[in-house]
Amino acid sequence: DAGITQSPRYKITETGRQVTLMCHQTWSHSYMFWYRQDLGHGLRLIYYSAAADITDKGEVPDGYVVSRSKTENFPLTLESATRSQTSVYFCASSETSRQPQHFGDGTRLSIL
Amino acid sequence: AQSVTQPDIHITVSEGASLELRCNYSYGATPYLFWYVQSPGQGLQLLLKYFSGDTLVQGIKGFEAEFKRSQSSFNLRKPSVHWSDAAEYFCAVGAIGGGTSYGKLTFGQGTILTVHP
Repeated sequence: DAGITQSPRYKITETGRQVTLMCHQTWSHSYMFWYRQDLGHGLRLIYYSAAADITDKGEVPDGYVVSRSKTENFPLTLESATRSQTSVYFCASSETSRQPQHFGDGTRLSIL
Repeated sequence: AQSVTQPDIHITVSEGASLELRCNYSYGATPYLFWYVQSPGQGLQLLLKYFSGDTLVQGIKGFEAEFKRSQSSFNLRKPSVHWSDAAEYFCAVGAIGGGTSYGKLTFGQGTILTVHP
């Protein structure tokens, strides 16, 4: 089915571990985004990408790494997870910079 | 830098009552504006958007919003709320243009809507 898919939906890991959250979209949208959602903060942009091989930092990029080798995939990696990175992570995509963003269902990540 | 303020963290209304959710933004140029809704455990769904033109925009599920440049506001309204409207609502502002803007959105902190029967 067309759309934007995030995996896994739930993840529990330990501090210091590396974890990768996956995001896949079937629309061939140019723009993709990663947000984290925390109580009292709304959604904050972590990283974004305007096209394959073009990525840039958002508001809260520290501790995260992204790549975009293919248009449809935009994985987010926590290189050494910390408890402060416990959050719900949302991936989004948009066709152009002026079009609305379409969101995945999120990944709930708990770091113990 | 752009910013969005949703002054009301939590609003409670009775089913059938009217609703207005407030959103104020700060941006140096012409913004584009969105309202999204999030049900528990779900992603965000677009309710409506404003880019230019008519300042009163209609969205899905009977929602509308009015852009008031003089007040830097983009309030969301619904004349008669249904129990299924209970959710969290987010206002977002984006920058028109390319360059480093890249279509980035800044979100408000959200307003939780509770609907009493």
